[in-house]
Amino acid sequence: DAKTTQPPSMDCAEGRAANLPCNHSTISGNEYVYWYRQIHSQGPQYIIHGLKNNETNEMASLIITEDRKSSTLILPHATLRDTAVYYCIVRVALNQFYFGTGTSLTVIP
Amino acid sequence: DAGVIQSPRHEVTEMGQEVTLRCKPISGHNSLFWYRQTMMRGLELLIYFNNNVPIDDSGMPEDRFSAKMPNASFSTLKIQPSEPRDSAVYFCASSLRGASNSPLHFGNGTRLTVT
Repeated sequence: DAKTTQPPSMDCAEGRAANLPCNHSTISGNEYVYWYRQIHSQGPQYIIHGLKNNETNEMASLIITEDRKSSTLILPHATLRDTAVYYCIVRVALNQFYFGTGTSLTVIP
Repeated sequence: DAGVIQSPRHEVTEMGQEVTLRCKPISGHNSLFWYRQTMMRGLELLIYFNNNVPIDDSGMPEDRFSAKMPNASFSTLKIQPSEPRDSAVYFCASSLRGASNSPLHFGNGTRLTVT
């Protein structure tokens, strides 16, 4: 049970912001939202995570709604190298880190 | 930081042979995870270790699969005997336990092909 819903695919123009949505309507109060991405033939790469507040790091920003039922990953200036499958994960417990089917993001030149 | 190191990167073997996949977690990490990825089933958690002790192996598909962690810096996943349906990419990941918000860091996987 992945507990998250993401669109299967999205396109984004190079240089523009990529906004990847995720629904997690059954999330509990102490469950974190994580984002990973996977580029073909590589292992999943950690991007960012958060609980309630918005978060930003060198890779991306994470916006979590006040009711915590959804979130958006923002890549501020998408490049061709950002083409990948992006996974939104709700961490239920220490070892319950389940990946869904993700969003396949294609950055278009 | 060398990251999680897996070997080999590719393994091709014949049905019935024993296969051993290896993983070196990030130094200082005390939780280790083995995942399997296929087109049909996506990423599946196979087994999870904490402080070298297997905590949850409910994802291990059959008795043909076994995993060990003899010390904090090494783990193996063994398949004996291997079957064509075991063909997949196997990932190892590690994290710091004690912090529920500690992210998992993945290796680049071993692509296993069983003919």
